[in-house]
Amino acid sequence: DGGITQSPKYLFRKEGQNVTLSCEQNLNHDAMYWYRQDPGQGLRLIYYSQIVNDFQKGDIAEGYSVSREKKESFPLTVTSAQKNPTAFYLCASGDRDRAYGYTFGSGTRLTVV
Amino acid sequence: KQEVTQIPAALSVPEGENLVLNCSFTDSAIYNLQWFRQDPGKGLTSLLLIQSSQREQTSGRLNASLDKSSGRSTLYIAASQPGDSATYLCAVRDGGSQGNLIFGKGTKLSVKP
Repeated sequence: DGGITQSPKYLFRKEGQNVTLSCEQNLNHDAMYWYRQDPGQGLRLIYYSQIVNDFQKGDIAEGYSVSREKKESFPLTVTSAQKNPTAFYLCASGDRDRAYGYTFGSGTRLTVV
Repeated sequence: KQEVTQIPAALSVPEGENLVLNCSFTDSAIYNLQWFRQDPGKGLTSLLLIQSSQREQTSGRLNASLDKSSGRSTLYIAASQPGDSATYLCAVRDGGSQGNLIFGKGTKLSVKP
């Protein structure tokens, strides 16, 4: 079945540590997105990529980095510069022509310990 | 800048009741509108997608309408069931050059047996 896979489901980060969240899709979608979800704040866009080897900052990109070396993969790194990384992270994909909706992964919950 | 508002923030109804969730957006220049369901700790599941040229979409007990000129959409749920309990999110595909998805904060629905 086609879909988006996020891993791990739960992730714990120590202070000052970088961690990478995985997102893989087999839907042949050109565009991929990373959102952060906090209670009471809704979903906020971190980074997005419309095509391989290109990506753009969203509304809250500070302290995060991404890469898009393959169409299927869009990993997100939460760096030590992100001062409040505890949140639920959601990856999504969509078609570049905008004719269809987004498909979301099941999320990764990141906690700072 | 596009803003999406969902009212009410929370709703509790008895089983079997028909109900309406509301979504409003500030800029009518959208490509489409998507309704999602989110269960606690899970990713988003797409329910209905309405293109900007459409007035409504139906799937089973769900019906979503779109009035672009007034910046409003409604999600109608018929004969509600306890299994419908979840948070419902509305999102518009922005009509700007990037065309990203912009979310409301959601309506948390509880259907009591």
